[in-house]
Amino acid sequence: AQTVTQSQPEMSVQEAETVTLSCTYDTSESDYYLFWYKQPPSRQMILVIRQEAYKQQNATENRFSVNFQKAAKSFSLKISDSQLGDAAMYFCAVTGGTSYGKLTFGQGTILTVHP
Amino acid sequence: DTGVSQNPRHKITKRGQNVTFRCDPISEHNRLYWYRQTLGQGPEFLTYFQNEAQLEKSRLLSDRFSAERPKGSFSTLEIQRTEQGDSAMYLCASSPSGEKLFFGSGTQLSVL
Repeated sequence: AQTVTQSQPEMSVQEAETVTLSCTYDTSESDYYLFWYKQPPSRQMILVIRQEAYKQQNATENRFSVNFQKAAKSFSLKISDSQLGDAAMYFCAVTGGTSYGKLTFGQGTILTVHP
Repeated sequence: DTGVSQNPRHKITKRGQNVTFRCDPISEHNRLYWYRQTLGQGPEFLTYFQNEAQLEKSRLLSDRFSAERPKGSFSTLEIQRTEQGDSAMYLCASSPSGEKLFFGSGTQLSVL
């Protein structure tokens, strides 16, 4: 079984500043992937960033980067130079083993960006 | 690449009625997934297909739910004898290999 915990129900940040969203997970799989998805009010799930567990290097996508601590089972998302369009619900998710694509999601963190 | 398409976007129905949703995946993606999301929660896995074969079903998928993917192309999710507890967003996603999912915009179901 896999579990994902997002301990921050809500976060806020000033435009142009940096914010970090926390996520911890548990899985018995040795080979797995971690994701952050963004869900704006339109409710479309948009992939923000993906991390392969076997890679030690933290994934980066433009202003988005992760801090992957495998031993601690921690996977936080850092958003730099925050923009108003970053305001959304953010979900952390994990998949692995024989059921790739069967994602287990966290409860989500609502991010508010103040101008 | 036109993305994952789901229809309808919204469905309002009365309790006890049957409803059917459709998902058109990204072409050549052989994996297709259905998820359900209630307000304020993360999506929960329902079922997935590899080509036309339904390989896994969640315990969340009661006998009133059935999904098909004829010929490994589009998929349908049918709910029979809807209940108010079925009210949720139903999300479809497709993937070439399961390592990266692309989601549709979902179908919002409201059961009155």
